[in-house]
Amino acid sequence: GQQVMQIPQYQHVQEGEDFTTYCNSSTTLSNIQWYKQRPGGHPVFLIQLVKSGEVKKQKRLTFQFGEAKKNSSLHITATQTTDVGTYFCARWGFQKLVFGTGTRLLVSP
Amino acid sequence: NAGVTQTPKFQVLKTGQSMTLQCAQDMNHEYMSWYRQDPGMGLRLIHYSVGAGITDQGEVPNGYNVSRSTTEDFPLRLLSAAPSQTSVYFCASSRSEFRGHSNQPQHFGDGTRLSIL
Repeated sequence: GQQVMQIPQYQHVQEGEDFTTYCNSSTTLSNIQWYKQRPGGHPVFLIQLVKSGEVKKQKRLTFQFGEAKKNSSLHITATQTTDVGTYFCARWGFQKLVFGTGTRLLVSP
Repeated sequence: NAGVTQTPKFQVLKTGQSMTLQCAQDMNHEYMSWYRQDPGMGLRLIHYSVGAGITDQGEVPNGYNVSRSTTEDFPLRLLSAAPSQTSVYFCASSRSEFRGHSNQPQHFGDGTRLSIL
């Protein structure tokens, strides 16, 4: 299948520390989407990356798409307790949106 | 604007029972899909539809049926529930990539938490 691997599976940080999750594919991606799911909630779309080497920022969140379009990362600067949740990458192709396994982030105050 | 509405929110079934999970959206989205979410396995695509009258299988379609008679509704049917189908089910919708709106973000419902005993 068109697997998208995500690491780490889980990370626990102290508030104020940085956090990064990585998404890797064995094949070239046409695009990558990122979603956030709060505990007990549903996935919410954050952003989409399409171009090789693309970098987008949303306040403390920085999203990158690799030059070879086979990997992507989400970096959160100075985490806050509101960042708690699971972050998913997802690839859209052939009419299907396939999700990575997600990275669960826990932030302690 | 309600967005994507899923009913019921919770359900407990016995093995062998049948059930339909409802999903409705009011955004005139052509594309709709169903996912199941299990701990440590992310979201896995069950079935999807690019428009009324058109459905296709996702990654894990076995044990589930769908139909799309209208743009708004996309019900998911479990014909004979099994314990392995205990999960959280999410419905999502978006514009279809074949209408010139490629790679659209998905809008998710709040989910149905299903337990099968």
